[in-house]
Amino acid sequence: EVQLVESGGGLVQPGRSLRLSCVASGFTFGDYAMHWVRQAPGKGLEWVSGISWDSRSIGYAGSVKGRFTISRDNAKNSLYLQMNTLGPEDTAFYYCSRNNDFDYWGQGTLVTVSS
Amino acid sequence: DIQMTQSPSSLSASVGARVTITCRASQGISRWLAWYQQKPEKAPKSLIYAASSLQSGVPSRFSGSGSGTDFTLTISSLQPEDFATYYCQHYDSYPYTFGQGTKLEMK
Repeated sequence: EVQLVESGGGLVQPGRSLRLSCVASGFTFGDYAMHWVRQAPGKGLEWVSGISWDSRSIGYAGSVKGRFTISRDNAKNSLYLQMNTLGPEDTAFYYCSRNNDFDYWGQGTLVTVSS
Repeated sequence: DIQMTQSPSSLSASVGARVTITCRASQGISRWLAWYQQKPEKAPKSLIYAASSLQSGVPSRFSGSGSGTDFTLTISSLQPEDFATYYCQHYDSYPYTFGQGTKLEMK
């Protein structure tokens, strides 16, 4: 069974950093591109970042480019999102998702940016 | 960046009705289009990929069509569990973008 489990969310002050993790199981992690998607409370979905299976192709939404860094460790079946210089606009549930057609999603982790 | 525009933004329909949601891309994306269903407090669920391919386990009353810039999601006979919010998304090139969502409510 494919499982994606996010962690690392929480309450953080504006301007600080946070690192999210997504641990995958039930499939060969290193064979798939992976993505982060976020959803602010009561709002729609926003693609944040994606990374190819070999980390050679990476993309970011304009709203996070230069502040967020996506990475992966295929040996640990893990996807990461380093988020720096956080602002209130980054408050959202953050989901990781598998493959370029987003066939499986994790349950999400909530990031709240507030003083 | 490619913009995705969904219509309508909300829709009321009855159980058993046929429903169609449209999604338009600001430039051609071939068939790199997916549809998702999201219920309150839940993660999105993938329904369709490559514009018209059904994800495993998705009921056949869901179907997708289109290519280039214009796409549709059709539910042939609404069931009670289908009332949710639906999103389209392109994955033609970075940055991927979602439509703004269509909230499907029970009439």
